Amino acid sequence: KAGVTQTPRYLIKTRGQQVTLSCSPISGHRSVSWYQQTPGQGLQFLFEYFSETQRNKGNFPGRFSGRQFSNSRSEMNVSTLELGDSALYLCASSLGTGEEEQFFGPGTRLTVL
Amino acid sequence: GEDVEQSLFLSVREGDSSVINCTYTDSSSTYLYWYKQEPGAGLQLLTYIFSNMDMKQDQRLTVLLNKKDKHLSLRIADTQTGDSAIYFCAESNSNYQLIWGAGTKLIIKP
Repeated sequence: KAGVTQTPRYLIKTRGQQVTLSCSPISGHRSVSWYQQTPGQGLQFLFEYFSETQRNKGNFPGRFSGRQFSNSRSEMNVSTLELGDSALYLCASSLGTGEEEQFFGPGTRLTVL
Repeated sequence: GEDVEQSLFLSVREGDSSVINCTYTDSSSTYLYWYKQEPGAGLQLLTYIFSNMDMKQDQRLTVLLNKKDKHLSLRIADTQTGDSAIYFCAESNSNYQLIWGAGTKLIIKP
């Protein structure tokens, strides 16, 4: 069974630009969660999508948004990039029906210059 | 609100046991997890424990849960250089959401 894939793996943008990250969950998984990981702040929860609906949301500004498609693939968008948005963005998939394991992708390393 | 706390660093000698501790606040958590992140990689589930269990053992890993004190620990026996990583503790809440600790970096001394 293929694991969680994230594209692109690395991205360099400049301040003010926008970026879209993609995550393909494990086949059969309906929940996709997004996290931001930085050395100073650790692992921060962004949002979770289940069956194309945002089910949970963390404490991030509205510049961070996401969506999920009918095939459970998810995208995350960050608009008006700031230097502080430089981070590793991790996506995790799970069945989403209860207290089950989240499987993580390798992450997208975003650098904002 | 919900919170999970861990020490940021732990240094042990190769061959010794490592004990990584975690405290959490949500008493309604059903599952508690330990994840491992190696440099440049995503997170990998190491083990988890159901809240009605006190202990779970899996080869070199032992998880202890003290639900009264809301304390979770991960013991790695015979620590090897390959165990160098960041270890994250997480608890699940009633909204299918995982609440994460900041991670403990395990440093192995030769």
